[in-house]
Amino acid sequence: DTEVTQTPKHLVMGMTNKKSLKCEQHMGHRAMYWYKQKAKKPPELMFVYSYEKLSINESVPSRFSPECPNSSLLNLHLHALQPEDSALYLCASSQDPTSGTIRYEQYFGPGTRLTVT
Amino acid sequence: DQQVKQNSPSLSVQEGRISILNCDYTNSMFDYFLWYKKYPAEGPTFLISISSIKDKNEDGRFTVFLNKSAKHLSLHIVPSQPGDSAVYFCAAGGAGSYQLTFGKGTKLSVIP
Repeated sequence: DTEVTQTPKHLVMGMTNKKSLKCEQHMGHRAMYWYKQKAKKPPELMFVYSYEKLSINESVPSRFSPECPNSSLLNLHLHALQPEDSALYLCASSQDPTSGTIRYEQYFGPGTRLTVT
Repeated sequence: DQQVKQNSPSLSVQEGRISILNCDYTNSMFDYFLWYKKYPAEGPTFLISISSIKDKNEDGRFTVFLNKSAKHLSLHIVPSQPGDSAVYFCAAGGAGSYQLTFGKGTKLSVIP
């Protein structure tokens, strides 16, 4: 099973709202990722969690707050977003590439289409 | 500076023929290469990968070729099917790194 699930599929929120995106995988992967993707662009890395600890934060504004409650779950908490934050938010998981494994392809979820009004 | 380049934004191929998508990279530290397929408003789907210790990897209709000296890889799809119409992203990673560097994608259209 190579499935990563994400909820919700679509989200519309105002600039004063607080909402959360959720991601789940059951592949035993210990690295989980949040990406942002705008139309006709490649995915942009936002955060990486490794063994439930934040490993990489790509200078993402604090209005985005990631959380990894356990090895299967990843959340992205949203607060006071701007219209330019509207995008497809993708979760991905992989084996830990720092563990010496030779295969570390990332498996992506279907994404959450976020619109900020 | 783009470290992974897909110089063809689009490609049209007749159904049943071969599709060849190309990708060039500049960073010699990359040692793992991947191809993803993406439909609109969906997440990228992993297709096939290749390690730098190989020059070819095959999975069904999909074959990836790696030419390390030219820093070039290609994805061959044979035979092409209308369902293959999507955007294809090339990506590269380095040992011990969480980062994947993506190309800008090539939109493949397979004409019935």
